[in-house]
Amino acid sequence: KAGVTQTPRYLIKTRGQQVTLSCSPISGHRSVSWYQQTPGQGLQFLFEYFSETQRNKGNFPGRFSGRQFSNSRSEMNVSTLELGDSALYLCASSLASGVNSPLHFGNGTRLTVT
Amino acid sequence: DQQVKQNSPSLSVQEGRISILNCDYTNSMFDYFLWYKKYPAEGPTFLISISSIKDKNEDGRFTVFLNKSAKHLSLHIVPSQPGDSAVYFCAASTGGADGLTFGKGTHLIIQP
Repeated sequence: KAGVTQTPRYLIKTRGQQVTLSCSPISGHRSVSWYQQTPGQGLQFLFEYFSETQRNKGNFPGRFSGRQFSNSRSEMNVSTLELGDSALYLCASSLASGVNSPLHFGNGTRLTVT
Repeated sequence: DQQVKQNSPSLSVQEGRISILNCDYTNSMFDYFLWYKKYPAEGPTFLISISSIKDKNEDGRFTVFLNKSAKHLSLHIVPSQPGDSAVYFCAASTGGADGLTFGKGTHLIIQP
């Protein structure tokens, strides 16, 4: 079974631009979560989608948004990029929403904002 | 404020010995705890979890202990192997839809 696929692996953008990251979950998984990893803050929860609906959102500004499609694939968008948005963005999928379904992470998209 | 803390950024252990990774939390609403392992250039992989109704869970060489009164959990790896060298993240959940809260990780180095 293929794992969680995130594209692109690396991305370099300029301040003020916007970016879209993509995530394909494991086949059959309906929940997709996004996390931001930085050296100073560790892994921080961005949002979770289940059956195309955002279930919850972490403590991030409105510049961070996402969506999930009917095939469970998900995209994350960051508008008006800031230098502090440079991070590893990790997508994770699970069979269902909730703690009894462990998260399966992709290898991440490394975003660098210059 | 950090609700899940891993106070040791790194830990070095000899191959064959026991590795003990520690994690403290402050939110008493957390009722489910997980450990993830991460190799460079890869995403975290799930290792083991424990519910707050238990105080111990074992899976092969990995055992997680939970002390609710102290708000402390630990991951024991016995015996430690070279392939265990990785960053280990402790994570906690309230069981709701608010995602996992992760610690900042401990880099475990297994010395030959």
